[in-house]
Amino acid sequence: AQSVTQLDSHVSVSEGTPVLLRCNYSSSYSPSLFWYVQHPNKGLQLLLKYTSAATLVKGINGFEAEFKKSETSFHLTKPSAHMSDAAEYFCVVLPGTYKYIFGTGTRLKVLA
Amino acid sequence: NAGVTQTPKFRILKIGQSMTLQCTQDMNHNYMYWYRQDPGMGLKLIYYSVGAGITDKGEVPNGYNVSRSTTEDFPLRLELAAPSQTSVYFCASSGGTSGGQETQYFGPGTRLLVL
Repeated sequence: AQSVTQLDSHVSVSEGTPVLLRCNYSSSYSPSLFWYVQHPNKGLQLLLKYTSAATLVKGINGFEAEFKKSETSFHLTKPSAHMSDAAEYFCVVLPGTYKYIFGTGTRLKVLA
Repeated sequence: NAGVTQTPKFRILKIGQSMTLQCTQDMNHNYMYWYRQDPGMGLKLIYYSVGAGITDKGEVPNGYNVSRSTTEDFPLRLELAAPSQTSVYFCASSGGTSGGQETQYFGPGTRLLVL
C-alpha cells in the first residue's frame, strides 16, 4: 500500500539553527514527492518537488530535500531557520496514480 | 493567471441546509481535487476529476457531490449539512501525473462552520 509518514508532529528550533523535517514513504512505483508549506489560515504553497531527476532538490526560501530510495526518505532541511518559517509542513507522495497522499503534517516552531 | 480561486471564503450553515462551494482554475488543468482539512490534521480527499465529465470518489465522499461540466469549474455540493462537515475545504488542480505536470496548485480555502 502507498503511504507517507511524517515522523514528527511538532519540531521546535531556535532562529538561526538548522531545520530537519522527516518524511518516509512507501510506494510500489517510482513516486513523485513534494513538500508543501501552510501558514496559519492560508492555503498550501509548494516548497519543492522530486520527479525522478536530481535526488537533491532545491526549493524556495532556502529549503532543500534529498530523495533517498534505499531509505525511502525525503527529508526537508534548511541551514538556518527564520521566524517566518514557522508553519505547518506537509510531505506528499504521488505514487504513479491520480491520488496524492498527504502526510499528517509537521508543525514547525521557531524560537527567538 | 489567477490560479485556483474558491468562493466563499467563509460560511456558516445551519444543520440540514445545502450549499455549493465554488472552485475555478484558469490553468487549463485536467485534474481537479477537493480536500477537507480538519483541525490539526492533514488533507483528506473528498472527490477528484480527471477531466470534464469525469469524476470519482476519494477517501471521504459521503455527504458531498460534485460535477465537472467544464475544464475550469469543479463545484462541491453539500446537500444536508451536518456538524461533522465543519472543516476547511481546499480545491486543487494539476496538469497531469507525470512529465513535469505533477504539481498541485491549491486555492485559498473555504472555511465552513455547521451549527
